Amino acid sequence: DAGVIQSPRHEVTEMGQEVTLRCKPISGHDYLFWYRQTMMRGLELLIYFNNNVPIDDSGMPEDRFSAKMPNASFSTLKIQPSEPRDSAVYFCASSLAGRSYEQYFGPGTRLTVT
Amino acid sequence: GQSLEQPSEVTAVEGAIVQINCTYQTSGFYGLSWYQQHDGGAPTFLSYNALDGLEETGRFSSFLSRSDSYGYLLLQELQMKDSASYFCAVREQAGTALIFGKGTTLSVSS
Repeated sequence: DAGVIQSPRHEVTEMGQEVTLRCKPISGHDYLFWYRQTMMRGLELLIYFNNNVPIDDSGMPEDRFSAKMPNASFSTLKIQPSEPRDSAVYFCASSLAGRSYEQYFGPGTRLTVT
Repeated sequence: GQSLEQPSEVTAVEGAIVQINCTYQTSGFYGLSWYQQHDGGAPTFLSYNALDGLEETGRFSSFLSRSDSYGYLLLQELQMKDSASYFCAVREQAGTALIFGKGTTLSVSS
């Protein structure tokens, strides 16, 4: 299996622009998680899905952030408009049902907003 | 509130044994996971404890005491490649997401 795939790996954008991060989970996994990692705040859960349905989005910082999972093999995290404080590494992870303690992380997208 | 406490940094030499502690305070508790993250890389799963006691996986072991809200990761026969950040993470309920600690940076020197 190719593992969790994320794109792009790096994104540099200007403040105010829309950013879309993409994730393909491991085939057969039921859970998909979006995290943000910064030095100051560590690894923060933004939102997670179970069978394509959002379960908990309480970690989404504000209305500028939105996430979708239109099917079992694809999810997006969108930031509109982006701000410099959104600069971080964004990870997508997936897991099997009943094993959400064992998550498989993608390589991450390093986002820089100038 | 929720909190997971772990030391920010630990240093050790090759061949040594190091223990990384994690204490947690969460609204629920279903189990404790440990993840490793090398610089510039993604977190990778190491171990999971749902019950009290020690789980051994090669050079790494993980321990849990539910009554003390405490766990640790034990790394034996340290190697340079073990230099990384180590995160403890709590699963509050079955089927829910993990709450991650801030991580412990382990530096192994020769």
